[in-house]
Amino acid sequence: KAGVTQTPRYLIKTRGQQVTLSCSPISGHRSVSWYQQTPGQGLQFLFEYFSETQRNKGNFPGRFSGRQFSNSRSEMNVSTLELGDSALYLCASSLTWGIGETQYFGPGTRLLVL
Amino acid sequence: AQTVTQSQPEMSVQEAETVTLSCTYDTSESDYYLFWYKQPPSRQMILVIRQEAYKQQNATENRFSVNFQKAAKSFSLKISDSQLGDAAMYFCAYRSYNNAGNMLTFGGGTRLMVKP
Repeated sequence: KAGVTQTPRYLIKTRGQQVTLSCSPISGHRSVSWYQQTPGQGLQFLFEYFSETQRNKGNFPGRFSGRQFSNSRSEMNVSTLELGDSALYLCASSLTWGIGETQYFGPGTRLLVL
Repeated sequence: AQTVTQSQPEMSVQEAETVTLSCTYDTSESDYYLFWYKQPPSRQMILVIRQEAYKQQNATENRFSVNFQKAAKSFSLKISDSQLGDAAMYFCAYRSYNNAGNMLTFGGGTRLMVKP
């Protein structure tokens, strides 16, 4: 069974631009979570989706948004990029939501904002 | 809010030896899940082991085992017979049982180096 896939793997943007990252969960998994990883702040939860609905959101500004499609694929969008948004963005999928499910992570998208 | 602390930023171990990585957490909940994830240089997070707080028995997965001390809120990872491929960042993570969602709270990580 294929694992979690994320595209693109690397991205370079300039301040003020916007970016969309994509995540395809493991086949049959219906829940997707997003995390931001930076050297300074470590791993921080962004948001999670189940059945096309955002179920939880972390403490990030409104510039960070996401959505989930009917096939469980998810996208996250960052508008008006800032230098501090440079990070590794990790997507994780799990079978369902809220019942002690284990999350399986993708390889991440490395975003560099210049 | 829950917090997870890994007090050892770096650890090193000789190949074939045993090493223990520490993790403490703070929570007011009685039921929860704890995880250890490994992140090698490829950056992909890999689940190493998982522990349910209501289970008194410590989880084991081949060379990996945990020492779960609920009262002390401690969750250490023991790696036996260390191999070169074990070199990676290791993250301890907490997940609420009662609180909705799959959200994980991570510690700051421990970089493990394995010496040949």
